Amino acid sequence: EPEVTQTPSHQVTQMGQEVILRCVPISNHLYFYWYRQILGQKVEFLVSFYNNEISEKSEIFDDQFSVERPDGSNFTLKIRSTKLEDSAMYFCAGTANYGYTFGSGTRLTVV
Amino acid sequence: AQSVTQLDSHVSVSEGTPVLLRCNYSSSYSPSLFWYVQHPNKGLQLLLKYTSAATLVKGINGFEAEFKKSETSFHLTKPSAHMSDAAEYFCVVSTNQAGTALIFGKGTTLSVSS
Repeated sequence: EPEVTQTPSHQVTQMGQEVILRCVPISNHLYFYWYRQILGQKVEFLVSFYNNEISEKSEIFDDQFSVERPDGSNFTLKIRSTKLEDSAMYFCAGTANYGYTFGSGTRLTVV
Repeated sequence: AQSVTQLDSHVSVSEGTPVLLRCNYSSSYSPSLFWYVQHPNKGLQLLLKYTSAATLVKGINGFEAEFKKSETSFHLTKPSAHMSDAAEYFCVVSTNQAGTALIFGKGTTLSVSS
């Protein structure tokens, strides 16, 4: 069964550093998403991406965040200057018509 | 606006007994509803989804859920719990439009004892 692949599975970074989280969606996916889950809290929507542009974003997705699909396969989330409160599990997801497939997540720890 | 409320943060059952995880939703549109499961250190796995077809939805691993519009509920059930069912369960609501965000509940931790 096709999978959404996320790398790395765990990343530790110092506060203020830039991080890039990577995702490889399933080939027929059209919509791409990033969600995050802070430890002990609910899964929260960050951003959706369609046709090479952001289609929807939440209040969490401020100027520190950006997404891109640089080569038609990878889908990346960049955090420009990480804060302690960015520590969370970040999930990538994709859909074709309708039916989300989530990756297994990247655990980001900011120290 | 849409929201979802999982009524129990933690449910404990014995192996072989029924499971009931409760979820109420609020939606301005005709919603799509999902249940996802997350095992420790794993990603989110879709258990089942409701998209305005049959109100009783059967999912994987023996789980099912019933959409009740009059009660705005979408409770998840399983007749007989297994140890491997121990995990975090999320009730999720969305519109029927492709590309729109999923709204997650806070989750219910299911513990299964032998």
